Amino acid sequence: QVQLQESGPGLVKPSQTLSLTCSVSGDSISSGSYYWSWIRQPAGKGLEWVGHIYITGSANYNPSLKSRLTMSIDTSNNQFSLKLSSVTAADTAVYYCARDDDYFGSGHWGQGTLVTVSS
Amino acid sequence: DIQMTQSPSTLSASVGDRVTITCRASQSIRSWLAWYQQKPGKAPKLLIYKASSLESGVPSRFSGSGSGTEFTLTISSLQPDDFATYYCQQYHSDRTFGQGTKVEIK
Repeated sequence: QVQLQESGPGLVKPSQTLSLTCSVSGDSISSGSYYWSWIRQPAGKGLEWVGHIYITGSANYNPSLKSRLTMSIDTSNNQFSLKLSSVTAADTAVYYCARDDDYFGSGHWGQGTLVTVSS
Repeated sequence: DIQMTQSPSTLSASVGDRVTITCRASQSIRSWLAWYQQKPGKAPKLLIYKASSLESGVPSRFSGSGSGTEFTLTISSLQPDDFATYYCQQYHSDRTFGQGTKVEIK
């Protein structure tokens, strides 16, 4: 059973870069036709798709975040990462990583990690 | 971008009620729609994929229907464990979530 675990700083200063990593266990990140995704959720609000990356390194991003977003994938360490630059308080949220595909949607999620943007 | 609109935003119901949540897409997404259940402090859980296919282990009281731009999630007989927030998600083009429907106790 695949498991995902987010890690990274819980506090980021405004204008700095938010960096998170998702470690995958129970399956190789290189296997299958999966997208490796990030989704976020501000407190008390709904889910927002941030973007996803394929094993080839090809990524698709939420248009509203595209100019500040970079995703990468590290097959040697079975993990993938997110970098969001020039953060503001509006980027404060629980960030989830997930595995999804074009048939089943997002069947496997990490537990989520809270990132607060504050000075 | 494909926009997803869920209704209602909040639904008050009693145990045993039949509950229906609607999700509309701004353009055709064929059947590429999933439904998720989220409880406070937890990650979402996949219930339905490809509009009407039940994820393994999900109770049969959950069902999904629709195609194109209009979709529904139905809970045939609401159970205490079902009080939660439900989200639709299109995965026809990138991904977009609906704004969520909170099912609360009446």
